[in-house]
Amino acid sequence: EPEVTQTPSHQVTQMGQEVILRCVPISNHLYFYWYRQILGQKVEFLVSFYNNEISEKSEIFDDQFSVERPDGSNFTLKIRSTKLEDSAMYFCASTGTGNTEAFFGQGTRLTVV
Amino acid sequence: AQSVTQPDIHITVSEGASLELRCNYSYGATPYLFWYVQSPGQGLQLLLKYFSGDTLVQGIKGFEAEFKRSQSSFNLRKPSVHWSDAAEYFCAVVFSGGYNKLIFGAGTRLAVHP
Repeated sequence: EPEVTQTPSHQVTQMGQEVILRCVPISNHLYFYWYRQILGQKVEFLVSFYNNEISEKSEIFDDQFSVERPDGSNFTLKIRSTKLEDSAMYFCASTGTGNTEAFFGQGTRLTVV
Repeated sequence: AQSVTQPDIHITVSEGASLELRCNYSYGATPYLFWYVQSPGQGLQLLLKYFSGDTLVQGIKGFEAEFKRSQSSFNLRKPSVHWSDAAEYFCAVVFSGGYNKLIFGAGTRLAVHP
């Protein structure tokens, strides 16, 4: 069964450092998403990406965040200068055309110290 | 504003008992509706979904959910809970025009007593 894969599974970084979270969506999917879940809280939408551009972003997704699809398979989330409050689980998801079921990766747990 | 409400933060049931987790959503048009389950430290697993048609949908692990348009609800049910069902359950909604983005409820944490 096709799946979304995320790397790394855990990342610890110092405050102020840049991090890049990586995702490989399902190969024939066209819509890509990042979500965030702070420990003990609900899952929050960050950004959606389609046709090589951001289609929608939330208030959380400020100038510190960026997304990129550098090649035909990877989808990345970059946080330029991490803050303590960026510590969370980050989930990547993808959907195909005509099907709104999102397939989620297992997440990357980011800890900012 | 588009929102999803799960009124129960924690629910405890005995193993073998029936379960119903509530979910309500705002907005007028019929959205796409989902239930996800998350075990501690794990990712999100889709239990079931509703797009259209029969308002009672069956999912994995013996779960079902019923869409009630008049109540803007999509409650999750299971007739007999197993200890392994202990987890966090999230209701999620795709509202029309939302580029398929999911709006999640706050979650319901289910504990199962032996």
